[in-house]
Amino acid sequence: GESVGLHLPTLSVQEGDNSIINCAYSNSASDYFIWYKQESGKGPQFIIDIRSNMDKRQGQRVTVLLNKTVKHLSLQIAATQPGDSAVYFCAENLANAGGTSYGKLTFGQGTILTVHP
Amino acid sequence: DAGITQSPRHKVTETGTPVTLRCHQTENHRYMYWYRQDPGHGLRLIHYSYGVKDTDKGEVSDGYSVSRSKTEDFLLTLESATSSQTSVYFCAISESAGNEKLFFGSGTQLSVL
Repeated sequence: GESVGLHLPTLSVQEGDNSIINCAYSNSASDYFIWYKQESGKGPQFIIDIRSNMDKRQGQRVTVLLNKTVKHLSLQIAATQPGDSAVYFCAENLANAGGTSYGKLTFGQGTILTVHP
Repeated sequence: DAGITQSPRHKVTETGTPVTLRCHQTENHRYMYWYRQDPGHGLRLIHYSYGVKDTDKGEVSDGYSVSRSKTEDFLLTLESATSSQTSVYFCAISESAGNEKLFFGSGTQLSVL
């Protein structure tokens, strides 16, 4: 099946800078996308999601941008803090492909974000 | 972790032995999932459940079976563990089907020697 990939496997930023984590997807029929954060020894934690009928969605210090033309997803973190250091995954869900998708997400490999104080 | 408890958190076992991992949720969510996480592969779906006694296979289901006799519990069984099943296993739940964010447990680190 089609999969979600990441442009950059690692990203290092200084505390206070803005971070941008990118994700490319190949399935043009995917209609729902999610970003997760995973800290060492923990399970993935939901950050923000976006549906394909939107281009942008904002949360607390995070913004997700969706460019369907080039099949690209990005996560922007404002004023990055040391506590933001983690692995970030994007995931896509193809809804109703011959039935329901039951939340069967396809995950990317992840980007390691390191924030230096 | 959204009312999800996985047990055990760590397990070391020998090749050929049976292993059962348990996922317990207190959210009363209908949908439950088992994923494994491996370097270079990310998170991959093993099995999922869409209700009591209703389960189906994911993309990497070979060598695994599941059972769901109660809403709150979803068991993953390795009938005869192999070294290739050494991994971190995550349980996840969701309230509704499709286009719905999953909430994950803290994971079980399984080592098969």
